Amino acid sequence: RKEVEQDPGPFNVPEGATVAFNCTYSNSASQSFFWYRQDCRKEPKLLMSVYSSGNEDGRFTAQLNRASQYISLLIRDSKLSDSATYLCVVIGANSGGSNYKLTFGKGTLLTVNP
Amino acid sequence: DTGVSQDPRHKITKRGQNVTFRCDPISEHNRLYWYRQTLGQGPEFLTYFQNEAQLEKSRLLSDRFSAERPKGSFSTLEIQRTEQGDSAMYLCASSLGSPGVVAGANVLTFGAGSRLTVL
Repeated sequence: RKEVEQDPGPFNVPEGATVAFNCTYSNSASQSFFWYRQDCRKEPKLLMSVYSSGNEDGRFTAQLNRASQYISLLIRDSKLSDSATYLCVVIGANSGGSNYKLTFGKGTLLTVNP
Repeated sequence: DTGVSQDPRHKITKRGQNVTFRCDPISEHNRLYWYRQTLGQGPEFLTYFQNEAQLEKSRLLSDRFSAERPKGSFSTLEIQRTEQGDSAMYLCASSLGSPGVVAGANVLTFGAGSRLTVL
């Protein structure tokens, strides 16, 4: 099983749609979780951290289920500007569980259409 | 500019040549990372520095790859005897953290990357 695995995508949705991305991780001792966003030919940028209690930032909601080793990102009322690749990121994903190494998923490409 | 700077942004080289990339992290960041990204994949971890110490090196990094951070500030990544399979985007990132501190300490700021094409 891969350390961090994401929905393969791509997702094509109309403006205003709600879209959800899922991610699983293999190491139950993983410590911290993030979603990063990467625009085409640009560097990844932090979108939001993921907390056990779930957290929301405007139209974006991230959730963590430690028992199922599952992370999700929900985007409501999607905008054209949300088109990007969304990367699931886990700290401590490998068996050594280091507290500094970020392991990225493959990413899921989202295209929001007018 | 207070972000992470990488140089050069693009490098085209012939197979067998050596290339070197430079990264200037955010000045107060003590942690520096190198990642490699190919088309359709997420960034893959290559190596990590805490200050000047290289604390981890991925098995992806063959003997042809070497990274340094001599004074705990800028870092270089050198690839010797390049191969076509080395073609990728090489991303540098930095963060502020200390041992044992996890929450908030590992938000990486990435540079724009150095794109390598090996012909």
